[in-house]
Amino acid sequence: GQQVQQSPASLVLQEGENAELQCNFSTSLNSMQWFYQRPGGSLVSLFYNPSGTKHSGRLTSTTVIKERRSSLHISSSQTTDSGTYLCALRLSGSFNKLTFGAGTRLAVCP
Amino acid sequence: ETAVFQTPNYHVTQVGNEVSFNCKQTLGHDTMYWYKQDSKKLLKIMFSYNNKQLIVNETVPRRFSPQSSDKAHLNLRIKSVEPEDSAVYLCASSHQRTEVFFGKGTRLTVV
Repeated sequence: GQQVQQSPASLVLQEGENAELQCNFSTSLNSMQWFYQRPGGSLVSLFYNPSGTKHSGRLTSTTVIKERRSSLHISSSQTTDSGTYLCALRLSGSFNKLTFGAGTRLAVCP
Repeated sequence: ETAVFQTPNYHVTQVGNEVSFNCKQTLGHDTMYWYKQDSKKLLKIMFSYNNKQLIVNETVPRRFSPQSSDKAHLNLRIKSVEPEDSAVYLCASSHQRTEVFFGKGTRLTVV
């Protein structure tokens, strides 16, 4: 089965609403990152967060290794937050590469 | 400004041609990667180099070959392109197994 699973696959919000994106993994990990990608755009690193909680503006990333999950919280969403959010991990047995989830496609409507 | 630079941005070619993509990083990293992003936006590792040594070589067709001249450069050559090679190819770098930074990608269209 898939080693990295993201949920939901897609999400539609009204501007101002909050969102919680999930990333679950099946093996132990060495590190994890959250990325943002606009359609046709490059991958922008949002967080490098192997464990614990990190904040950046309206974004919060929390990784709980024991529970094999990481979450990305977006507060007070804006239309410019629309795009795809990807989690990527260095998993046990394959630390020399990032393994990506399939992503969450977010659309924020005005 | 330091970053990961890829050329070209776009490339359109015919089936059977050879193409080469360039990647350079100015971050002082020792590890570089090539990823392929398909039409469904799934990202898969192709190759990884650490200090010019190949450390990851996923199951990719033999027509794909990476070329590393030094720690800052990792090129990708496709010997005889096929339609299924149409994708976005992303180069990235990191310091050993830490945070990974990506270039803007090269979009290949094979007609």
